[in-house]
Amino acid sequence: DIQMTQSPSSLSASVGDRVTITCRASQSISSYLNWYQQKPGKAPKLLIYAASSLQSGVPSRFSGSGSGTDFTLTISSLQPGDFATYYCQQTYSTPRTFGQGTKVEVK
Amino acid sequence: EVQLVESGGGLVQPGGSLRLSCAASGFTFSSYSMNWVRQAPGKGLEWVSYISSSSSTIYYADSVKGRFTISRDNAKNSLYLQMNSLRDEDTAVYYCAANSGSYYGGWFDPWGQGTLVTVSS
Repeated sequence: DIQMTQSPSSLSASVGDRVTITCRASQSISSYLNWYQQKPGKAPKLLIYAASSLQSGVPSRFSGSGSGTDFTLTISSLQPGDFATYYCQQTYSTPRTFGQGTKVEVK
Repeated sequence: EVQLVESGGGLVQPGGSLRLSCAASGFTFSSYSMNWVRQAPGKGLEWVSYISSSSSTIYYADSVKGRFTISRDNAKNSLYLQMNSLRDEDTAVYYCAANSGSYYGGWFDPWGQGTLVTVSS
C-alpha cells in the first residue's frame, strides 16, 4: 500500500496568512493526488484534483503543486472559512489512501 | 442538484450486521464508479470499498475484506454496503462518494453527508 504522510499535523495561523501543507507519498504517484477540506461534522469537500487542478467553485487562493512523491497545498491568504482539516489522497493505486490530515487552527 | 444521501446507520452489537444505502440524484449515477469511505470518531479518512459503474470491478480495504460487500442498483440510483461480523473498530461515520474524472485515477466528488455506525454491546 502507498503511505501518505502530511506535515504538519496541525498549525496555527491568522487570517491573511499564507499557509502551506505538505504531503509525501511513500512511492512515486505522478500527479495522482487530490486535496480535500473537511469542517467539523461535515463531509469532505474536493479542493484540488490531479495535483494542481482547482475544482470548480473553489476560491483561487487555494493552489496545489508537485508530482512524484512530494506535493503541496497552499492557501495564499487564509480566510475565516478556511479553518478546517485538510487531507491529501492518492489515486495511483488501490487502496486509495489518505494522509492523516492537517488541522488549520486559529492563532 | 447533485446529491448523495446515506441511510441505514445505527447501533449494532459486535458480531452483528447492518446494511447501508446511498441514494443518488441530480447526476447519471449509472455512469459513475462509487466508493465508501469511513471516519472513526476523531480520526482521519479511511477508504473502504470501490465498485465500478457496471459492478464488474470491486475492491475492498484489507480491514473489511470478507466481512463487507459493496453492491449497486443502477435502476434505483442506489449504492449499498452490507456489513457483517461487525467489530468495535468498525464504529465510524460512513460516507459514499462518487469517483469523478477520467484521468489520474479520478477524484471523490460529490460526497454524501455520512451515516453513523456504532458497534457496541
